Amino acid sequence: NAGVTQTPKFQVLKTGQSMTLQCAQDMNHNSMYWYRQDPGMGLRLIYYSASEGTTDKGEVPNGYNVSRLNKREFSLRLESAAPSQTSVYFCASSEANSLYSNQPQHFGDGTRLSIL
Amino acid sequence: GQSLEQPSEVTAVEGAIVQINCTYQTSGFYGLSWYQQHDGGAPTFLSYNALDGLEETGRFSSFLSRSDSYGYLLLQELQMKDSASYFCAAGGSYIPTFGRGTSLIVHP
Repeated sequence: NAGVTQTPKFQVLKTGQSMTLQCAQDMNHNSMYWYRQDPGMGLRLIYYSASEGTTDKGEVPNGYNVSRLNKREFSLRLESAAPSQTSVYFCASSEANSLYSNQPQHFGDGTRLSIL
Repeated sequence: GQSLEQPSEVTAVEGAIVQINCTYQTSGFYGLSWYQQHDGGAPTFLSYNALDGLEETGRFSSFLSRSDSYGYLLLQELQMKDSASYFCAAGGSYIPTFGRGTSLIVHP
């Protein structure tokens, strides 16, 4: 069972370069999420998609864009990378399909991104 | 908005019992989740409390008191492999908000 797959696992960019992080899930989940994790900061939500065709901003969306390509795939794009975006990025999915649902989130293994 | 407070670090001895507390302030609270994350790994779901009381899953139990805006994760018969970070997350709408995590260090 693959679960949630993220690519790449590691990436080094120069300031100003662009990059797309890929995420795919094979659990037929409706909801998908992108988080960043920095030391001592826990997980902070960047964007989420409650269903195919919809995306919404989370806590820290500035400098990022997302695309929910289909039910399986949810990509995160950095148009002009900045050193402040150096972080570990996690994609997650869940069965959540209603306002009152709090189904567990299933996480990918993360992308470790360094911006010089 | 939502905010969650949990201790930054807890240490314990192998075989002991440890409790990790989480207090939250939230609008539109639906439940409290707990996740475990080993160094360099992905967070994995441990438990979820929607109602007041204790939920038990093997060596791990989780408790919620809505009136006190408080919950905890209880780990029994600690093992070295339990050394990890533990995050509480308050559920609201589709989007759980995570605490900053508690680093549990288990000593032999």
